[in-house]
Parts: sequence; C-alpha cells; structure tokens
Amino acid sequence: DIQMTQSPSVLSASVGDRVTLNCKASQNINKYLNWYQQKLGEAPKLLIYNTNNLQTGIPSRFSGSGSGTDYTLTISSLQPEDVATYFCFQHNSWPTFGSGTKLEIK
Amino acid sequence: QVQLQQSGAELAKPGSSVKISCKASGYTFTSYYISWIKQTTGQGLEYIGYINTGSGGTNYNEKFKGKATLTVDKSSSTAFMQLSSLTPDDSAVYYCVVVTAYWGQGTLVTVSS
Repeated sequence: DIQMTQSPSVLSASVGDRVTLNCKASQNINKYLNWYQQKLGEAPKLLIYNTNNLQTGIPSRFSGSGSGTDYTLTISSLQPEDVATYFCFQHNSWPTFGSGTKLEIK
Repeated sequence: QVQLQQSGAELAKPGSSVKISCKASGYTFTSYYISWIKQTTGQGLEYIGYINTGSGGTNYNEKFKGKATLTVDKSSSTAFMQLSSLTPDDSAVYYCVVVTAYWGQGTLVTVSS
C-alpha cells in the first residue's frame, strides 16, 4: 500500500496567516490526492479533490497543489473556523489516508 | 442533495457481530459505489472496502477480509456493513462514503464485555 506522510503533525498559526500543510506519498500518485477537513465530532469534509480542484461550497482561501509524490494544501488567510484536523487521501491505487495535521490558532 | 444516514451507536460484546446501515438519498443509488472507512484515535483513517451498488460486487482491504462484509438492498437504497468476531480493536467510528465526497455522520461501535 502507498504510505501517506503528513507534516507537520500540529501547526499553530495566527488568524490571517498563510498556512501550508504537506503530504508526501511513498510513490507517485498521479495527482489523485484529496484533502479533507475534520472538526471535532464531525465527519470529514472534502475540501480539494484531485490535487487542485475546489469542492463546491468551499471558500476560495483553500487551495491545493502538487504532483508526483509531494502535495500541499494552502490556506491563504487563516480564519478561526479553520481550526480542525486536515487529512490527505490518495486514490491512485488502493486508497490510503495520511495521519493528519492538527491546525490550531495561536 | 446527496445524503447518507447511518444507523445509531452500537455496544457489542467480544465475539459478537454488528450490522451497520447507511441509507442513501438525493441521487440514483446504483450510480455510485459506496465505500466504508474506519476511524480510530490510534490508527487514524483506514479504507475498509467498497461495494458496487448495482452488481453487489465487493473489494476489500486485505486487513478487513473476514472481518467486514458489505451488502446492499437496492429496494431501500441502503448499504450495510457487518462486522464479525468483534474484538476491542474493532471499537471505532465507521463511515460510509460516496464518490469520496459525501460522508455519513458516522456510527460509533464500542466492543466491551
């Protein structure tokens, strides 16, 4: 199975900051990479699909990029409601998830 | 709009089985596969497998073969996952998902004597 490694595991930033979350695959996943946001007690919510496609209804401050084995989720201006854990997910082959980045407000 | 409504929390004894349901609405049930995902604090998110809602064909993560059994009832647009020979390691929140975008609210399964 493809291993997905997310970094950092915890990120603390201030409101208005630009934040970057990373996800590295153990092999090429051909941009079949999704990002999810999970708030406490809720199901994960799809933010970005196939590397850089914004899911309907998701604010434009979220964006994704990457190729090959390295992918990034960027929040252009952090908002208080963005406090959550973020997971990457590859579906190039048998699907696997990253272990998550917990995003906190300073 | 696509909605997935899962059955309620389960408390089960070791060695027993539970069957979780996932009722779909807002789209043609047989148009999309349904996947099942396990979430625990320790292991994170694990992809259990998926079912072809039209044919009933299934594909399982090797780790969950013999543990999970996926079925559907097309007449009620409902997918099911049965978990057998339960151990405390099966305690988790289980989600059904459609097209990686739409998630049920999750079903908490607790295995305890």
